[in-house]
Amino acid sequence: AQKVTQAQTEISVVEKEDVTLDCVYETRDTTYYLFWYKQPPSGELVFLIRRNSFDEQNEISGRYSWNFQKSTSSFNFTITASQVVDSAVYFCALRPWNSGNTPLVFGKGTRLSVIA
Amino acid sequence: DVKVTQSSRYLVKRTGEKVFLECVQDMDHENMFWYRQDPGLGLRLIYFSYDVKMKEKGDIPEGYSVSREKKERFSLILESASTNQTSMYLCASSPLENRDPQDTQYFGPGTRLTVL
Repeated sequence: AQKVTQAQTEISVVEKEDVTLDCVYETRDTTYYLFWYKQPPSGELVFLIRRNSFDEQNEISGRYSWNFQKSTSSFNFTITASQVVDSAVYFCALRPWNSGNTPLVFGKGTRLSVIA
Repeated sequence: DVKVTQSSRYLVKRTGEKVFLECVQDMDHENMFWYRQDPGLGLRLIYFSYDVKMKEKGDIPEGYSVSREKKERFSLILESASTNQTSMYLCASSPLENRDPQDTQYFGPGTRLTVL
């Protein structure tokens, strides 16, 4: 069985603070993909990143960075110098590799509020 | 740009009505998905389809059916709407694995359905 846990239901930070969103997953597959999505107030989920399980390099994209640790089954997401526009619900997701028809398994999401 | 559109952003129906939610994608994707999103429960998969006229049950198919007569269109049907089907409904599509560098699901803007 596969499962994604986002233990933080809601986080509130003041603008310019750094914030880390946690994601822990469970899977019996040896290869898999991990994803992060952002859902702003408009409602549409926006893809942020996909990571392969055999590539444990951390990734940085502007103010966003992702820390993938296979040993602890975690794929955490950090926003540096947060801005009000970062306010959204963030979802972590998992899918087995090489199984193109398998749906994503989503966590329950973390609602981030950035206060000016 | 990938485009997934849903027929309505907001919909109000009465208990017992038959409800059709339509989803169209313009990227020739093989896979299409219907989710519902409720506070505290995250995204839950209702049905998905990996080909025309094919469908697979997701985690919560009860009370729903789907139709995929054309590759670009995936319809969710509530045969007899009930108040506990009041929710946000999200449609998504994805290509078969390895046909897309990002290989992820692309989401529509969502339909907020209220059943009175």
